[in-house]
Amino acid sequence: AQTVTQSQPEMSVQEAETVTLSCTYDTSESDYYLFWYKQPPSRQMILVIRQEAYKQQNATENRFSVNFQKAAKSFSLKISDSQLGDAAMYFCAYRSGLHASGGSYIPTFGRGTSLIVHP
Amino acid sequence: GAGVSQSPSNKVTEKGKDVELRCDPISGHTALYWYRQSLGQGLEFLIYFQGNSAPDKSGLPSDRFSAERTGGSVSTLTIQRTQQEDSAVYLCASSADTNSNQPQHFGDGTRLSIL
Repeated sequence: AQTVTQSQPEMSVQEAETVTLSCTYDTSESDYYLFWYKQPPSRQMILVIRQEAYKQQNATENRFSVNFQKAAKSFSLKISDSQLGDAAMYFCAYRSGLHASGGSYIPTFGRGTSLIVHP
Repeated sequence: GAGVSQSPSNKVTEKGKDVELRCDPISGHTALYWYRQSLGQGLEFLIYFQGNSAPDKSGLPSDRFSAERTGGSVSTLTIQRTQQEDSAVYLCASSADTNSNQPQHFGDGTRLSIL
């Protein structure tokens, strides 16, 4: 079974600065997808960014980028120019790929990191 | 609306009562998932549907929990004889199908409080 670990229960950042949230995972599969979700106080989980394991290039979405280290099984999220609206819980998630043998398509989520943004 | 809709938004009930939580997925999404999120915890998988069938019920915590989906659309999660440990936010998500790399789209959740 796959596991996802987010070792930082809480992180703080000053507005306009950069913060990195860590995520590591354990898998024997080679075909999989990784996701970062944001959950603001409104509770709705919103997809921030995703990465296909077969792609070497790190995914980016505006101020959000990932550092995907496949050999190290690490998938950190970098938020640049942090804004007050970035304050939320951030969840890292793993999902087996289409060609994974015996893999479960049910995503596995980490326990989340609470991001606090100071004005 | 275009998103996943869950109702009620909040539910407070007495221990021992039955509750029904509803999820209306994005139109056309064949896969539907239920999760439970306790305070300070990640997402605990409960059950998923592909169409109207539930291939994986392994996450249901006990036989007090059941779920159904009709018409490949709306799903209800039922908790019978509620206990205080059932208090949590119940999240529903849908995706185009399970055999894809498409992300899940989540609803706002139902916050269940058992007195």
